[in-house]
Amino acid sequence: EVQLVESGGGLVKPGRSLRLSCTASGFTFGDYAMSWFRQAPGKGLEWVGFIRSKAYGGTTEYAASVKGRFTISRDDSKSIAYLQMNSLKTEDTAVYYCTRGGGYDILTEWGQGTLVTVSS
Amino acid sequence: DIQMTQSPSSLSASVGDRVTITCQASQDISNYLNWYQQKPGKAPKLLIYDASNLETGVPSRFSGSGSGTDFTFTISSLQPEDIATYYCQQYDNPYTFGQGTKLEIK
Repeated sequence: EVQLVESGGGLVKPGRSLRLSCTASGFTFGDYAMSWFRQAPGKGLEWVGFIRSKAYGGTTEYAASVKGRFTISRDDSKSIAYLQMNSLKTEDTAVYYCTRGGGYDILTEWGQGTLVTVSS
Repeated sequence: DIQMTQSPSSLSASVGDRVTITCQASQDISNYLNWYQQKPGKAPKLLIYDASNLETGVPSRFSGSGSGTDFTFTISSLQPEDIATYYCQQYDNPYTFGQGTKLEIK
């Protein structure tokens, strides 16, 4: 059974940094791209970015709203995808979800989400 | 960026009703269109992929159609457990969601 578990959320002040983790199990992690999405309270879903598998160069793509501030990385030996968030803004407050897949993949597997609150 | 315009934003219907939601893409996305269901406090759940294919385990009362820029999602006979918010999502470049349709029981 595929499982994705996000962690690392919490309350952080504007301008600070936070790193989220997505721990995967139930599949060969290194074979898949991994994506991050977010959902602000009471709002819709927004793509944040994804990282390709090493077979496709391990390169990343980001939404314009986070490009230059957020970085996605992966540790295939630990089956973990990371979302490093720097220079956080109040508008980054959201539940952050990781998913298996990226690019032209259909996203069938989602984690339960982790809440990030950016507030002074 | 590809914009997805979903309507209506909310919908109230009775158990047993046929419910239809539409989604329009700002450019041709072929059939790169999925439909998700999201219940409060939960992650989105894939219902329909590639515009018209039913995900494994999803009840057959859910269906989708369309291609290019215009898509439709239908629940043939609304059930109480279908109360949720529904999103269309294009995955052509790379991912954009519609604004969502909040479905309530009348």
